[in-house]
Parts: sequence; structure tokens; C-alpha cells
Amino acid sequence: AQKITQTQPGMFVQEKEAVTLDCTYDTSDPSYGLFWYKQPSSGEMIFLIYQGSYDQQNATEGRYSLNFQKARKSANLVISASQLGDSAMYFCAMREGQGAGGGNKLTFGTGTQLKVEL
Amino acid sequence: GAVVSQHPSWVICKSGTSVKIECRSLDFQATTMFWYRQFPKQSLMLMATSNEGSKATYEQGVEKDKFLINHASLTLSTLTVTSAHPEDSSFYICSARGGRVGRPQHFGDGTRLSIL
Repeated sequence: AQKITQTQPGMFVQEKEAVTLDCTYDTSDPSYGLFWYKQPSSGEMIFLIYQGSYDQQNATEGRYSLNFQKARKSANLVISASQLGDSAMYFCAMREGQGAGGGNKLTFGTGTQLKVEL
Repeated sequence: GAVVSQHPSWVICKSGTSVKIECRSLDFQATTMFWYRQFPKQSLMLMATSNEGSKATYEQGVEKDKFLINHASLTLSTLTVTSAHPEDSSFYICSARGGRVGRPQHFGDGTRLSIL
């Protein structure tokens, strides 16, 4: 079974509008972390936002917010006031376990290609 | 600024050549680094976990002798693609994570490897 599912291969949004990118996850570990990364065409992976499984509030970072619905195992990314520079591939990822060490690997979804239009 | 540096960013070489890619954490010590491979328009697939001072842990299906990983210091891991062939052409990207709980993995800018 897929651990991270992103069902939208591509999305279009008009500039200045908000857009939601879907992500669902599957884990039996009570302790996990969820991440969103942006990958522009140049290839680098840019960290956007993090949500821990025990966090009580939804994470926010500027124009990015994470709609964390634990019972539904979803962690959708909301981008407000879209900009042309937001056009990129967006990946949802999960790290199971939250140990203090650095050893936990990330599992990535298949990504959503977002295009922001004028 | 970048916290993980990856070098080189682009490599084109002949079939049979071995290629070394470096991944450095710039302002933190990384006991663990990760190496991913990404084909065009696909997701990142973890190849191996690089552990400082010990052997790397490879994911199922990844050839250890083909993709040699060395993590000789707390700030440097290297991936060597040995006797590279055209099917090894891909985008390789490394990451490292700071020690605190919840800290994200920071990625290098990736290496585009093209084998002719």
C-alpha cells in the first residue's frame, strides 16, 4: 500500500487565488511527521512546511498552511494568494517516528504539478 | 542560504566511467545523510541511508556495488556510481537532517547525471 498518496497529478490556479493540494498518508506509527516540499524545474527541493503528529494546531508558514486532519489521515497544503513563482512540483512526504536522532527516512508521494496562470 | 551543498550539479560522461557526487552539510553536523534518485516527472526514491562512520543502509533493489556510499565525516557523504551506463542517467539528490526533533531534511541542489 502507498504510504503517501497525492491524487492530483496536475493543478491549475489563477494568480492571487488560493489552491489546495491533497495528500493522504498511511501509517500505524503514532509518532510521525509530515512535510511539504516544492521542486521548481531547476530541481532543488525547497522545504515549505512541517506538521508533527502530536501538534495540536495546523502548521502555517507565510502563505502556506497545512490542513491536518488526523482522523482522516490527510495533510493538505493550502497556498493562499498564488503567485506565478509558485508554479512547480509539490511533494508531500512522511517521516515515521520522531526520534531526536537524524536517522528517519522520508517517504514521498508522487507529486502534484502546480501551474499558476495570469 | 543553502545548508546542504551538492557537487557537481551536472555531469556528462562516457559509459564505463565512475562518477563521484559529494554532499556536504554546511552549518550543521549530519550523522545521517540520504541519497535519492529521481527520474523525469517522477517522485524521489530513496536509494540509501548514509551513516557516518559505518556502512550505508541500502533500500531493496539498489545495488551496493554499483552505488558506493562513503560517509567519512560528519559533514560529507559521497555517492560513487561505478562503471556508469546509460540506464544510470538520472537526477541524484542528497539530503541531511539536523539533530532536533521535527527538523526538516535539507536537500542539496541535485546532480543531473547523463551517461553517453
